[in-house]
Amino acid sequence: QSVLTQPPSVSGAPGQRVTISCTGSSSNIGAGYDVHWYQHLPGTAPKLLIYANNNRPSGVPDRFSGSKSGTSASLAITGLQTEDEADYHCQSYDSSLSGYVFGAGTKVSVL
Amino acid sequence: QVQLVESGGGVVQPGRSLRLSCAASGFTFSTYSMHWVRQAPGEGLEWVAAISYDGVNKFYADSVKGRFTFSRDNSRSTLYLQMNSLRAEDTAVYYCAREGCSGGRCFFDYWGQGTLVTVSA
Repeated sequence: QSVLTQPPSVSGAPGQRVTISCTGSSSNIGAGYDVHWYQHLPGTAPKLLIYANNNRPSGVPDRFSGSKSGTSASLAITGLQTEDEADYHCQSYDSSLSGYVFGAGTKVSVL
Repeated sequence: QVQLVESGGGVVQPGRSLRLSCAASGFTFSTYSMHWVRQAPGEGLEWVAAISYDGVNKFYADSVKGRFTFSRDNSRSTLYLQMNSLRAEDTAVYYCAREGCSGGRCFFDYWGQGTLVTVSA
């Protein structure tokens, strides 16, 4: 069982907006630890998408945005494109476990 | 460009050992902390271990503590993960990842493509 909770899947039509939630607890997100997001296509290297809650690495389109509040975080994709079909994972740090934690991943499908 | 290439995966019987390697290039390897992260079939990502830039400090997930050993050779820009007493639940794709930081906040900024470890009789 993953420490961070994500929905298994979300879907949307091209051009629509989708959001992915990432729910933690008082020992990780709620304790103030940053949330990072990764995009992962099966068989490839995961790619950093959002770091420190709401920052985009260079080269990541501004269609991707992140936010964090309380014990949760979310990733939004606006103007959904077919190439956005992938798995998205959130990640933080947990003080009780003294280690890094991930969500189980959310599969984004473009209808 | 940053490249991380894992190798050493394969099929191994329960209780046996395996050593993974991760060859790094395109950056000053000796100045970065590095990590191993794995993904079991149908599961999410799981952090496995971390090592400081100089190899002095090492941290492990409880699930592998005492069985796995993380090391690095900065002269060869290579990471090693020695996995002993392997269990079926260690079956996963293993990724090495670089720890990048910005303003003191750190994350996994580059990943390899992974190597598959299957533990089965």
